[in-house]
Amino acid sequence: EPEVTQTPSHQVTQMGQEVILRCVPISNHLYFYWYRQILGQKVEFLVSFYNNEISEKSEIFDDQFSVERPDGSNFTLKIRSTKLEDSAMYFCASSEGGTPPEQYFGPGTRLTVT
Amino acid sequence: GENVEQHPSTLSVQEGDSAVIKCTYSDSASNYFPWYKQELGKRPQLIIDIRSNVGEKKDQRIAVTLNKTAKHFSLHITETQPEDSAVYFCAAIRLWGAAGNKLTFGGGTRVLVKP
Repeated sequence: EPEVTQTPSHQVTQMGQEVILRCVPISNHLYFYWYRQILGQKVEFLVSFYNNEISEKSEIFDDQFSVERPDGSNFTLKIRSTKLEDSAMYFCASSEGGTPPEQYFGPGTRLTVT
Repeated sequence: GENVEQHPSTLSVQEGDSAVIKCTYSDSASNYFPWYKQELGKRPQLIIDIRSNVGEKKDQRIAVTLNKTAKHFSLHITETQPEDSAVYFCAAIRLWGAAGNKLTFGGGTRVLVKP
C-alpha cells in the first residue's frame, strides 16, 4: 500500500539556522498539508497546498515558513531562522480529494532546535 | 475558527472492557469527523470517520456516534485488546467551505489496555 514518506526522521539544528523538511506524498494525490505537534500539545494545521499554490494557511504559518513542490514528487517545508519554539514533530499529509477527503499522514520529522 | 476538545486525556481499561472517548466541536459548519489512531513511534492512521448526515457508524469493534445538535461525537471501542493501546485523535473538518479541508484535532487520548 502506498505511503507518505518524510525525511529526515529527526533533525537537530541550532537556533537561527534554516531547515528544510521533505515529504513525498502518495503519487496520485492532489492535496498536500503540513501539520505540527509540539510535545504534549495538539496536532496543529500549518498549511495546505493544491495546484501549485497555498490554498490555506494558519496564523502560525508566517513569513518564517514556506512550502514548495519543486518537482512532481517532493513537497517541502522550509523554516528560516529557526527558534527554540519551532521544536516539534512535523507531519506531512496528502489527500486525493474526493468525498470524504481522507488525509494520509507521513511518519513525521522530529525537529529539535537548540 | 474551529476548536475541538477531547476527553479523557488518558484512559486505562481492562482487556475485554469497552472504551469511550468523547469530543466536542465549536463550528456548527463542520461536517466531517475522522478518528485517527497513532501507535507509539508510528504515523496517525484513519480508523473510522462519520459525516454530519449520519448519526452512527460501526466497523467491527469500533463505532462512532455524532450528535449535531449538541456538537459532540464519540468513539466506542468494544472488547478491547492489547493492540488497541495507542493515542486516539478526533478531528473535525468543514468540507468545501472557506476553511478548506484542514483538520482541526482534539488533544488526543492515550488508551492503555491492560491484559
